[in-house]
Amino acid sequence: GEDVEQSLFLSVREGDSSVINCTYTDSSSTYLYWYKQEPGAGLQLLTYIFSNMDMKQDQRLTVLLNKKDKHLSLRIADTQTGDSAIYFCAESLSGYSTLTFGKGTMLLVSP
Amino acid sequence: NAGVTQTPKFQVLKTGQSMTLQCAQDMNHEYMSWYRQDPGMGLRLIHYSVGAGITDQGEVPNGYNVSRSTTEDFPLRLLSAAPSQTSVYFCASSTGDRGGVETQYFGPGTRLLVL
Repeated sequence: GEDVEQSLFLSVREGDSSVINCTYTDSSSTYLYWYKQEPGAGLQLLTYIFSNMDMKQDQRLTVLLNKKDKHLSLRIADTQTGDSAIYFCAESLSGYSTLTFGKGTMLLVSP
Repeated sequence: NAGVTQTPKFQVLKTGQSMTLQCAQDMNHEYMSWYRQDPGMGLRLIHYSVGAGITDQGEVPNGYNVSRSTTEDFPLRLLSAAPSQTSVYFCASSTGDRGGVETQYFGPGTRLLVL
C-alpha cells in the first residue's frame, strides 16, 4: 500500500539551510511533490520532481530523490522567517490523479 | 480567476445535524477532491471526482456524500454530523492529466466544529 512518512518538526535559525526529509513506499510513484501550508491557509504547490530525475533546483529550493531508498528531500537555502510553515510531501501514481500526502513537517524559523 | 472557493469558512454544528460544504472552481478542471486535515494525521482523501457525473470514494468516505452535477461544483454533504467529523476540510481541483504532473489547487478550507 501507499505510505508517505515525514519527520514532524524542524527548527532552524534565519539564514541557515533547512532540509526536510520524506520517505515513500510505493515504487510506482510517478511524480513526487512538495506543498507548503501557511497558518490558516490551504496548500500551495512548491515544486515537484519526476521519478526518473535525481535532483531539481528552483531558486532557493533543491529537491533530491533517491529512488533506490525511496527517499525525497527538500532543501531550502538561506531560510527566512517567511518560510515558517508546514511542508507536505506527496506522491502520485502513474495514470492516477489522486495524491497521497505525508503528515507534514512543521518548519519553524527563528530570527 | 477566483481559483477554488469554499464556503463557509467556519461552521459549528450540533451532533446529528446535516450540512453541505460548498466547493467551486472556475478553471474548468475535470478532477476535484475533498480532504480532511486533522492534527498529526496530514490530509486524508474523502471523495473525489474525475468529471461531471463521476465520483468515487477515497480513504475516509464514511459519513460523507458527494455529487458532481457540473464541472464547476463539488459539494460535500454531512448527513448526520458527529464529533469525529470536527476537522478542517479542503477542496482541491486539477486538470487530471493522468500520468502527468498533478498540480492540485487548494481552496482556503472550511473549519468545522461538531459539538
